[in-house]
Amino acid sequence: DAGITQSPRHKVTETGTPVTLRCHQTENHRYMYWYRQDPGHGLRLIHYSYGVKDTDKGEVSDGYSVSRSKTEDFLLTLESATSSQTSVYFCAISEAGLGENTEAFFGQGTRLTVV
Amino acid sequence: DAKTTQPTSMDCAEGRAANLPCNHSTISGNEYVYWYRQIHSQGPQYIIHGLKNNETNEMASLIITEDRKSSTLILPHATLRDTAVYYCIVRVGLGGGFKTIFGAGTRLFVKA
Repeated sequence: DAGITQSPRHKVTETGTPVTLRCHQTENHRYMYWYRQDPGHGLRLIHYSYGVKDTDKGEVSDGYSVSRSKTEDFLLTLESATSSQTSVYFCAISEAGLGENTEAFFGQGTRLTVV
Repeated sequence: DAKTTQPTSMDCAEGRAANLPCNHSTISGNEYVYWYRQIHSQGPQYIIHGLKNNETNEMASLIITEDRKSSTLILPHATLRDTAVYYCIVRVGLGGGFKTIFGAGTRLFVKA
């Protein structure tokens, strides 16, 4: 398995509280991604990063922010958690660049429950 | 990225070949076909990818039609551990990298 570690693996939090999920990689890949997975929706991209301090929005970015201060770490923050953000969150990494052909590797996921 | 269409679910007998189809009729010339799978509660796992030619690795074979509008993932000797959701994805290497949205995929049940 690619060196991707997500933490925590499980979390229960209350509505309105801030939550930060961490993705750590040891592969030195340039690109990192946060997805969420919900029944009936497959995996949907929240945010991604194409380098240190370089990030952009994905399809479902509302209510989420990200930061990448080091190559190896990509943080996803829910500023004020809502029940609609209850989901399984996956981090992914890839070497992909413009026109490049490469695969992505996924972490084991974080199950977040907002009550 | 081009849209893909896959059957919702399929069954396969253990030890037999599992053939998973995918339609991608709007694929562009520079888009690759990727296959991933997701075993229950785990992160998606890369299987194989290709552009025009058929590809084979230790996990599977990928057959892409000449017009590239469809493809088939073949697991040559399916085992119970191959029970998973299989995602067919078509993408081009965008400046943002792997900005791909996974659809619902095909749920493969391998039965003893």
